[in-house]
Amino acid sequence: AQTVTQSQPEMSVQEAETVTLSCTYDTSESDYYLFWYKQPPSRQMILVIRQEAYKQQNATENRFSVNFQKAAKSFSLKISDSQLGDAAMYFCAYQGGSEKLVFGKGTKLTVNP
Amino acid sequence: GAGVSQSPRYKVAKRGQDVALRCDPISGHVSLFWYQQALGQGPEFLTYFQNEAQLDKSGLPSDRFFAERPEGSVSTLKIQRTQQEDSAVYLCASSLRLPPGTQYFGPGTRLLVL
Repeated sequence: AQTVTQSQPEMSVQEAETVTLSCTYDTSESDYYLFWYKQPPSRQMILVIRQEAYKQQNATENRFSVNFQKAAKSFSLKISDSQLGDAAMYFCAYQGGSEKLVFGKGTKLTVNP
Repeated sequence: GAGVSQSPRYKVAKRGQDVALRCDPISGHVSLFWYQQALGQGPEFLTYFQNEAQLDKSGLPSDRFFAERPEGSVSTLKIQRTQQEDSAVYLCASSLRLPPGTQYFGPGTRLLVL
């Protein structure tokens, strides 16, 4: 079975600085997708960024980018120019052939003004 | 268009009561997923529908949990004879049937069993 590990339960960053959240996963599948979701205290899970495993190019969405290392099974999220509104729980998720999402335990990000 | 909606947002039940949680997916989304999120944890998969067909129910924790989507749109997750360990947030997500469709989540229903 696939597993997703987020080794940082909590992280903090100063406003306008850059922070990187770590994620590793385990799978025997060759074709899969990886996601970062953000969950603010209001609980609505919001998609931040998505990466297809067959693409070597790292995905970017404005201030959010990933470092996808397929051989190492690593998928980190970099947030540049952090804003107060970035404060939330961040979940790394894996999706393979079964279509269901497998989530990590999450990283709580605090942004300090 | 409107996003995924769930009702009720909060539900308090006495142990042993039956509860029904509703999910309205995004219009046109073929796939619908239910997840359970315990406090301080990541969501865990419960079950998955493609249209009205329940293709995977491997995550349902016991036979007290039952889900349906009779017309391929609205879905209901029913929990019979609720137990304290059922207390959690229940999240619904929907996606277009594209390999794969990105899943869009509703706000969740927080269930507290006393």
